[in-house]
Amino acid sequence: DIQMTQSPSSVSASVGDRVSITCRASQGVSNYLAWFQQRPGKAPKSLIYAASTLQSGVPSKFSGSGSGTDFTLTISGLQPEDFATYYCQQYHTYPLTFGGGTKVDI
Amino acid sequence: EVQLLESGGGLIQAGGSLRLSCAASGFMFNGYALSWVRQGPGKGLEWVSGISNSGVSTFYADSVKGRFTISRDNSRNMLYIEMKNLTVGDTAVYYCAKRDGAHWGQGTLVTVSS
Repeated sequence: DIQMTQSPSSVSASVGDRVSITCRASQGVSNYLAWFQQRPGKAPKSLIYAASTLQSGVPSKFSGSGSGTDFTLTISGLQPEDFATYYCQQYHTYPLTFGGGTKVDI
Repeated sequence: EVQLLESGGGLIQAGGSLRLSCAASGFMFNGYALSWVRQGPGKGLEWVSGISNSGVSTFYADSVKGRFTISRDNSRNMLYIEMKNLTVGDTAVYYCAKRDGAHWGQGTLVTVSS
């Protein structure tokens, strides 16, 4: 199985900050990598697919990069609604696997 | 608008069975591979099972292999998962989602009591 290692597991930030979250795959997944945002009590929301393609309707302050085994999600200009937990997922190979999550809080 | 709507969750005793359903609309259902993903209380996301767009190929996490069965009815735009021999560890919110995670349902809660 492909292991997805996400770091950091949590990060404290302030409104207006820029935050980067990394996700490392135990083997190459090409660009079959997605990022999700999850607010408490809500379903995950797709932010980015194919490693760097912004999902429709997602603001451009979210950006993704990387290919192969190393990926990054960057959030610029943090706003109160951005404080949430973020997950990466590889969909290259079954079983699909998620990172452990990164909680972004104040 | 793409919609995925899960149903069938509830309280069940350990050892029991449950079938979850996911009704899809707003996209070409038979063109997409789909997944079931769960999230236990206070835990992260765990992929449970996947199915190809045709339904011919199915995939399972080791934790549910032999107990859960995924299926789909492309004529009705429905996704299912049959869960047997449930354990307390299967307690979670269950989501249906496209394989690439582009769209998710709102989830249905399954609680397994001992």
